[in-house]
Amino acid sequence: GENVEQHPSTLSVQEGDSAVIKCTYSDSASNYFPWYKQELGKRPQLIIDIRSNVGEKKDQRIAVTLNKTAKHFSLHITETQPEDSAVYFCAAHQTGKLIFGQGTTLQVKP
Amino acid sequence: GAVVSQHPSRVICKSGTSVKIECRSLDFQATTMFWYRQFPKQSLMLMATSNEGSKATYEQGVEKDKFLINHASLTLSTLTVTSAHPEDSSFYICSMTSAGGVGHEQFFGPGTRLTVL
Repeated sequence: GENVEQHPSTLSVQEGDSAVIKCTYSDSASNYFPWYKQELGKRPQLIIDIRSNVGEKKDQRIAVTLNKTAKHFSLHITETQPEDSAVYFCAAHQTGKLIFGQGTTLQVKP
Repeated sequence: GAVVSQHPSRVICKSGTSVKIECRSLDFQATTMFWYRQFPKQSLMLMATSNEGSKATYEQGVEKDKFLINHASLTLSTLTVTSAHPEDSSFYICSMTSAGGVGHEQFFGPGTRLTVL
């Protein structure tokens, strides 16, 4: 089955800097890759997603890149703000279900 | 649109009792429903997948007789934790895909914090 690895587990940046979180997946048949932001005790919130027929997608300060050959995808957050502090999860869709990465705790210092 | 509710938000129960958690889609019909469990500082772990009218498909290591899933309709799924024990204490989250949705996006409920004493 699918296996998703996410790095780093924690990331601390200064406000205004960029943050990058990387994920790798194992099943080349995976075709949908969402990213979620989760605040403590809350539901995961979809922030951006990408499908396997696209290499890059951007939404304001957030972008995701996908390298199907290498089977990895990355989340890029530019101009980080303190309210970006949360846990971020990547996921890969395989045979009708999402497999999640281990999560990255992002801390943005004012 | 695509709102999912989950009740209760928090529940505390005694060891050995059963707890039922409801997950409802409020403004769409769900094709598939998912139940996840999330321990503190860990990722979401899929427990089971269900479609209306058919039995749930459980992930490896999840006891189907302990975690009873009933996909009652296109808008309602329930998870019953039977004979709960302290190790079942966790954050339980449901999600659904929409019959009218695009691709594989899942809509998550707000979660249920279960504490077993």
